[in-house]
Amino acid sequence: QSVLTQPPSASGTPGQRVTISCSGSSSNIGRNTVNWYQQFPGTAPRLLIYRNNQRPSGVPVRFSGSKSGTSASLAISGLQSEDEADYYCAAWDDSLNGDVFGTGTEVTVL
Amino acid sequence: QVQLQESGPGLVKPSETLSLTCTVSGGSISSYYWSWIRQPPGKGLEWIGYIYYSGGTNYIPSLKSRVSISRDTSKNQFSLELRSVTAADTAMYYCAKTVAGSFPDSHFYMDVWGTGTPVTVSS
Repeated sequence: QSVLTQPPSASGTPGQRVTISCSGSSSNIGRNTVNWYQQFPGTAPRLLIYRNNQRPSGVPVRFSGSKSGTSASLAISGLQSEDEADYYCAAWDDSLNGDVFGTGTEVTVL
Repeated sequence: QVQLQESGPGLVKPSETLSLTCTVSGGSISSYYWSWIRQPPGKGLEWIGYIYYSGGTNYIPSLKSRVSISRDTSKNQFSLELRSVTAADTAMYYCAKTVAGSFPDSHFYMDVWGTGTPVTVSS
C-alpha cells in the first residue's frame, strides 16, 4: 500500500507540457526531499529527478521537478514519444523510517 | 562507473527462504548505502531495506520480522534473505546504490539500479 498518491495516468500530444502530481504528508514530502523515477516496460527504474529538482547527468532538461508543502510535481515540457513510461515519486518517511514510493503514473503520448 | 547485478533462484517454495545476492562492480560497498527494492507483477515499487557503509541495516516495518540484508566486503556483494515466503512475495527484485544524507537537505535516493531478477513463490 503506497503512502504517496499519484494519478494513475497522464497523457498529451507531442510538444505539450504534462505534469504529474505526488501527494504525501508531513512525515514524508513535508520533511524530506522528493525523487522521481522513470520506468519503461520490462526494464529497471531509472533516477530522473533527485532532491526535488536536480537532474542526474544525461536526463533531458525537459524534465523538471518541484515541491511545495506536502506535494510535489514532475513536469515534462515538450513531450516526446520516447517519454511514454511509468513515473514514480518517492521520499523518505520519518514515521515509517523507510523510503516510500508513489502509486505510479503511466504517461501516454497521443 | 558503478554497476550492479542481482542473482539467485527464480523459484522458491512457499514457507521457504528467498536468498538473493547483488554483485557490485566499479565501486566499493564500503561506501554509500545499498538498497533492495521489489515490484510485484503489474504493480508498483516497494523499498525493502538497506545496508550501509558501516554494515548497519534498516528495513521497512511490514517486512522487518522476515527480512535480513547482509554483506560480504571481500566479494563486494550484499545479499537479501526473506523468510517464510508466500505468493505475495512473488516479484521482480532490484538492488540499487543509494545516496543518503542530511546536508544541505534530507535526501535518500537510488541512483544506480541493477537490471532486476524475477522471483516466483510457488510449489
